[in-house]
Amino acid sequence: AQSVTQPDIHITVSEGASLELRCNYSYGATPYLFWYVQSPGQGLQLLLKYFSGDTLVQGIKGFEAEFKRSQSSFNLRKPSVHWSDAAEYFCAVGAGRGSTLGRLYFGRGTQLTVWP
Amino acid sequence: EAQVTQNPRYLITVTGKKLTVTCSQNMNHEYMSWYRQDPGLGLRQIYYSMNVEVTDKGDVPEGYKVSRKEKRNFPLILESPSPNQTSLYFCASSWSGLGTQYFGPGTRLLVL
Repeated sequence: AQSVTQPDIHITVSEGASLELRCNYSYGATPYLFWYVQSPGQGLQLLLKYFSGDTLVQGIKGFEAEFKRSQSSFNLRKPSVHWSDAAEYFCAVGAGRGSTLGRLYFGRGTQLTVWP
Repeated sequence: EAQVTQNPRYLITVTGKKLTVTCSQNMNHEYMSWYRQDPGLGLRQIYYSMNVEVTDKGDVPEGYKVSRKEKRNFPLILESPSPNQTSLYFCASSWSGLGTQYFGPGTRLLVL
C-alpha cells in the first residue's frame, strides 16, 4: 500500500539557517510527489511537485526538492529560512494508475518553527 | 478570482443530526476531493471525484457520503454524525487527479 513518512514532527531553525525536511514514500510504481505548506488557520498551498524528468525540482518561495528513487525520498530544502516560512509542511504521493488514479496520500506533517 | 469555497466554515452539531458541508469551485476543474485533518495524522482523503457522477472512496469514507451532480459542486454529507467525526475538513479541486490541488479554507466541525 502507498504511504508517506515524514520522520520529523517538529523542527526548529534560526532565521537565515538552511532547512531540510525529510519525506520517504512507499509506492510500487513511479510516484507523483508533492510538497504542500499550511500556514496557521489556512488551507494548503502547493510548493512544488515532481512527476518525471529532472530529479531536482524548484518551487515557490525559494524551496526545492530532490527525488531520490534509490532512497524512496523526496526531501524539501531551502538554503536560507525566513520567519514567514514558519508553517506546517506536508509531503504527499499521488497514485496514478488504474483504479487508484486520483488517490492522494499525505504524510503526517512537519511543523517548522523559525527563531528570529 | 479563482477559488474553492466551503460552507459553513464552523459548525457545532449534535450526534445523529444530518448535516451537509458544501464545496464549490469556479475553475471548471474536473477533479474534486474531500479530506479531513486531525492532529498528528495529517490529511486523510475521504472521497474524491474524477468528474460529474464519478466518485470513489479514499482512505476514510465510513460515515460520509458525497455526490457530484454538477461540475462545480461536491457536497460532503454526514447522515448521522458522531463525535469521532469532529475534525477540520478541506475540499480541494484540480484539473486532474494528479494536478495541483487548490484547497478551500476549511470547515471546522464539532460533533457533541
